[in-house]
Parts: sequence; structure tokens; C-alpha cells
Amino acid sequence: AQRVTQPEKLLSVFKGAPVELKCNYSYSGSPELFWYVQYSRQRLQLLLRHISRESIKGFTADLNKGETSFHLKKPFAQEEDSAMYYCAHPDQAGTALIFGKGTTLSVSS
Amino acid sequence: GAVVSQHPSRVICKSGTSVKIECRSLDFQATTMFWYRQFPKQSLMLMATSNEGSKATYEQGVEKDKFLINHASLTLSTLTVTSAHPEDSSFYICSARDPWGGNTEAFFGQGTRLTVV
Repeated sequence: AQRVTQPEKLLSVFKGAPVELKCNYSYSGSPELFWYVQYSRQRLQLLLRHISRESIKGFTADLNKGETSFHLKKPFAQEEDSAMYYCAHPDQAGTALIFGKGTTLSVSS
Repeated sequence: GAVVSQHPSRVICKSGTSVKIECRSLDFQATTMFWYRQFPKQSLMLMATSNEGSKATYEQGVEKDKFLINHASLTLSTLTVTSAHPEDSSFYICSARDPWGGNTEAFFGQGTRLTVV
């Protein structure tokens, strides 16, 4: 079955430090992967999708098929990056999104 | 981006009563909407897929008679929690995709916090 795994429940870093939020996938076929972010008291919103290869708010994520990973990275964390981050993939029907367990990123000064 | 709105954002109800949560796509039509449940500091769990004009598809372990879903129009899906119990207290989130928007991004409502007392 298709699945994403986020091994870290909480990641705490200092402002200005690099950040890497891990996501590993188990997939048959070509994976379609997303990163969603949920800031405190706000709705879930799309951060990145692997097909676009864009950088949003300084975050990037590269699909590594050899390591079956889609880690989210940012070279210099900011306090406003503190949020819950979810790695996600479509369900087998290709319609609903299935989320990993999420990682809470806490950036302190 | 497209906007998905949920109402109410917060509701408290007595045990045994039913509660209806509305999910609207404000600036696009959605033939399919999705309902999730989120426990505190946990991930979103897909409950069901709401299909306009037909029956919803429920995930394994979700009671369809407990969580009634109606998708009567292209912009509105409702989730009714019937005979609510304290264990139904949770954060319920709906989501929709804009099929004509040219991408597969899913848009999420702001969520409804249900407390059953």
C-alpha cells in the first residue's frame, strides 16, 4: 500500500539554523507527493508539490527515488516557520489526500 | 487560490443530539469533497469522500450511519454527526479540489471544532 512516513514528531531548531523535515514514501509506480503546512489557528495550506520543483517561503523539497524520500528543507529557519508540516500523497483512487503523521517545527530565537 | 468555507467553526452539543457541519466551495464547483477528522496534535484522518449527486464513500472503520454525508449541490457538502457522544468530540475538516483549476491542489476549510458534552 502507498504510504508516507514522517519519523519525527517534533523538530526544534534555533532561528537561522538549517531545517530538514523528513518524509519517506513507499510507493508502487510514480509517486505524487506534497507538503502541506498548518500554522497555529489557520487552515491547512499547500506548501510544495514535487512536480513543480518550486521554492515557497524558502522551502524546497526534492524527490529522491533512490532513498524514497521527499524531505523538506530550508537553509535558514525563521520563527514564523513554526507550524505543523504534513507530507501527503493521493489515495489509490487518486482523489483524496492521505497525510503522514506530521512534524511540528518549533523555531526559537 | 480557491476558497473552501466551513460552518460553524465551533459547536458544542449535548450527548445524544445531532450536529450538522457545512462545507462550501465559494468560487468553484466541486463534484468531490473530502471530510477529515483531526485529533489534538495528530494528523488528519480521511473519513469519507463526498460525491455530488451520489452516495459518499467511507473509509474503513468509519460508521456511515453515524456520520451522514450529503452532497446535494456542486458547492455544498454536509456532514451530520448523529447521536453524538463525547468520543465524537474532534476537529472536523473538509477539503475540495477545483477540477477546472488546472492543478491538483486541494483546498481546505478552516475546520469545525465539535465538543460533545
